[in-house]
Amino acid sequence: GAGVSQSPSNKVTEKGKDVELRCDPISGHTALYWYRQSLGQGLEFLIYFQGNSAPDKSGLPSDRFSAERTGGSVSTLTIQRTQQEDSAVYLCASSPRRSTSGANVLTFGAGSRLTVL
Amino acid sequence: AQSVTQLDSHVSVSEGTPVLLRCNYSSSYSPSLFWYVQHPNKGLQLLLKYTSAATLVKGINGFEAEFKKSETSFHLTKPSAHMSDAAEYFCVVTKSPGQTGANNLFFGTGTRLTVIP
Repeated sequence: GAGVSQSPSNKVTEKGKDVELRCDPISGHTALYWYRQSLGQGLEFLIYFQGNSAPDKSGLPSDRFSAERTGGSVSTLTIQRTQQEDSAVYLCASSPRRSTSGANVLTFGAGSRLTVL
Repeated sequence: AQSVTQLDSHVSVSEGTPVLLRCNYSSSYSPSLFWYVQHPNKGLQLLLKYTSAATLVKGINGFEAEFKKSETSFHLTKPSAHMSDAAEYFCVVTKSPGQTGANNLFFGTGTRLTVIP
């Protein structure tokens, strides 16, 4: 598609349930990022995929969070045993292969708003 | 180490008056710098980017930013605010390009711009 697509746009779940959030990046973009944005806060980096390299998972807040990217395209962020503090907007972004200057321009999706009751 | 600081969490201006959103960075090399805008319930959109070419960068919607190495600043300006400029603005700096496979972007904490009619 023309942009980064995220689904679902809104998800309400009960504490303790697992959730999956999906990101469909721009075709041909090798880099994919997940960020979390809590109410009134900035962006918190979660995980970064670049081509076939091992992902940079340094931002994942706990082992309840995981993500995968199948075939270098679609990515799924999974949160197990959700907690109320997981409530946030989860943003996905993609970019083309990193330039030699490192000047990635990210295209963001509209986000998935997660509410944990 | 690289980091970015947005000095104001909230800026309020009257419609038709100038906008100044401040961003300072620290970097051990010549970084690339970006400003992104996030309108309510939307993903982030690139406003402009600096990649070691002209120090005065013009972006969309009449915004511009000037890279000042001596002041380690990349402030965002607009001569005349419009109601539609009300949004959250994020300053972003790249890390060293040598960290292949790792996330290479630092996001500032954001500045919320309010435009008063």
